[in-house]
Amino acid sequence: DTGVSQDPRHKITKRGQNVTFRCDPISEHNRLYWYRQTLGQGPEFLTYFQNEAQLEKSRLLSDRFSAERPKGSFSTLEIQRTEQGDSAMYLCASSPEINRDGNTGELFFGEGSRLTVL
Amino acid sequence: DQQVKQNSPSLSVQEGRISILNCDYTNSMFDYFLWYKKYPAEGPTFLISISSIKDKNEDGRFTVFLNKSAKHLSLHIVPSQPGDSAVYFCAATDLFMIYNQGGKLIFGQGTELSVKP
Repeated sequence: DTGVSQDPRHKITKRGQNVTFRCDPISEHNRLYWYRQTLGQGPEFLTYFQNEAQLEKSRLLSDRFSAERPKGSFSTLEIQRTEQGDSAMYLCASSPEINRDGNTGELFFGEGSRLTVL
Repeated sequence: DQQVKQNSPSLSVQEGRISILNCDYTNSMFDYFLWYKKYPAEGPTFLISISSIKDKNEDGRFTVFLNKSAKHLSLHIVPSQPGDSAVYFCAATDLFMIYNQGGKLIFGQGTELSVKP
């Protein structure tokens, strides 16, 4: 399978603990995105990488959140001192500069990592 | 501020009939629009897109219509099939951002489509 993979698929943690999610994008994609989705809402943009450079961060990404993509391949999203409001699905997506069909803008999503903070 | 809005949280249609899902946007800079489909426990998957230079794009049973003056787009599914039952998200971006700044997508809240056999 050469799609976007995320790990773990589900994480249950206690408030105050740190959690880390990993995303492996499609190998030839240099763009990587993190989104968050809560119940009844669409995905909300968190941050974007082009290769290893983090080029944009949403104001939703508080100081407790940090994302890295050290070698321009996989990425990690860490949440420190988790709060109950952090409970959500964290989605990773990747895209090429321009995809092979000539269409632009399509993001390829992983299946997500669901976080439950007790 | 919700820049992309899907005002119908759910829609139920009979198999074989037409499904029409609606989406409104407020940011006049948006010039590229996409529809995604999401099944439970899966990530969203791309369905169809349209550029603002067009007012219609078709792909098999799926057609997207864009009304720029009304800042409105719709997704038509004809004929609807039970396998189409999913949550549909409308998303928007602008091509300048795609080429220069990564092209993040702004999503609506989603509409849950249920197609009854």
